[in-house]
Amino acid sequence: DAKTTQPPSMDCAEGRAANLPCNHSTISGNEYVYWYRQIHSQGPQYIIHGLKNNETNEMASLIITEDRKSSTLILPHATLRDTAVYYCIVIITNSGYALNFGKGTSLLVTP
Amino acid sequence: GAVVSQHPSRVICKSGTSVKIECRSLDFQATTMFWYRQFPKQSLMLMATSNEGSKATYEQGVEKDKFLINHASLTLSTLTVTSAHPEDSSFYICSATGTFGNTIYFGEGSWLTVV
Repeated sequence: DAKTTQPPSMDCAEGRAANLPCNHSTISGNEYVYWYRQIHSQGPQYIIHGLKNNETNEMASLIITEDRKSSTLILPHATLRDTAVYYCIVIITNSGYALNFGKGTSLLVTP
Repeated sequence: GAVVSQHPSRVICKSGTSVKIECRSLDFQATTMFWYRQFPKQSLMLMATSNEGSKATYEQGVEKDKFLINHASLTLSTLTVTSAHPEDSSFYICSATGTFGNTIYFGEGSWLTVV
């Protein structure tokens, strides 16, 4: 699976948009970009995934660059409950392979 | 999304005893389940992958005789930590995927403390 690079930490004011970047310059054509988050002492929570088109759901938006070498997860109106570690993972789906977690980005949403 | 449930959420056991953690997929058939371990302030580390009805595939450095994984049905996998020691104290998390699509879902995690 392609390696990803994320900033170790970010801050965001409550109510503002949180934009979390991820670099995956070695991504291959059949690898998807997945985002999960882990709130302290809980299991990871699925957020969103995409292949090459931008995606949006009730939690977030995923913007993938045209060359697919990077992506940005956008939380449009961050709340205090969005404070968590966010993981960007690229993987071939339905491959039977597990998600390999890097260190992720620790997002702190402040009042 | 699909629901994966773990039990117990917290367990304390004495050193030398064995403890079992269950992972259930509540609303889908889990063809593949994964077990992770997470130490404080560290990321999740994959321990093993199990397919229903098959022996688990363990990651390098994970003792298969110590961490027994059973995936006997499409909705249940168990992790048994045998002869537990204090260094086995950790947060254990399972995840599962099925035939419904591309996403892997995680359980709530189980805290194991060995005293």
